[in-house]
Amino acid sequence: AQSVTQPDIHITVSEGASLELRCNYSYGATPYLFWYVQSPGQGLQLLLKYFSGDTLVQGIKGFEAEFKRSQSSFNLRKPSVHWSDAAEYFCAVGPPSGGYNKLIFGAGTRLAVHP
Amino acid sequence: GAGVSQSPSNKVTEKGKDVELRCDPISGHTALYWYRQSLGQGLEFLIYFQGNSAPDKSGLPSDRFSAERTGGSVSTLTIQRTQQEDSAVYLCASSLDFNSNQPQHFGDGTRLSIL
Repeated sequence: AQSVTQPDIHITVSEGASLELRCNYSYGATPYLFWYVQSPGQGLQLLLKYFSGDTLVQGIKGFEAEFKRSQSSFNLRKPSVHWSDAAEYFCAVGPPSGGYNKLIFGAGTRLAVHP
Repeated sequence: GAGVSQSPSNKVTEKGKDVELRCDPISGHTALYWYRQSLGQGLEFLIYFQGNSAPDKSGLPSDRFSAERTGGSVSTLTIQRTQQEDSAVYLCASSLDFNSNQPQHFGDGTRLSIL
């Protein structure tokens, strides 16, 4: 079955510390991969996406993610977290043929940032 | 200028009542999507529109849910005879067309609470 797992429900880091949010997926073929961020009371904003090519993807707000086919993972990273990064983060996968209606979302990781 | 606008932002209603949720997409966006976000879960796709037609309604959870889009613009999601399990945040998104290479833009959602 196709699925997305975000093992960490909550993560707390100190401002300035590095961050890694995990995402593992189960999919029949190499999917399209996405990371979204959702601030409280708002909709989702796309941070970055991977379709093909270089497995290290740069996104907005200083985030990057690395696709590892052998591990079926697409972990999100940031070298130095800012207080404004506190939000919920969602990993999603979709078919290589595209189509947002086919995206499968993880349950999310809620990030808290200590000053 | 706007982004995707959803109304109302919050709705509280009694079980058994009908509700209508509205989405005003970005001008010129032909694709419009509805998602449901239940507490502690990721997004669940409901339906999408390309223009005024809905090629994929597969995500609608029951026949109490329906959606329409007129004039290729505003969409309404209607839930009839609401149940407590319908309580969730309903998110709308739009994109230039139905193509994963075009970014989705999300509204801030309607938080629906069924008493």
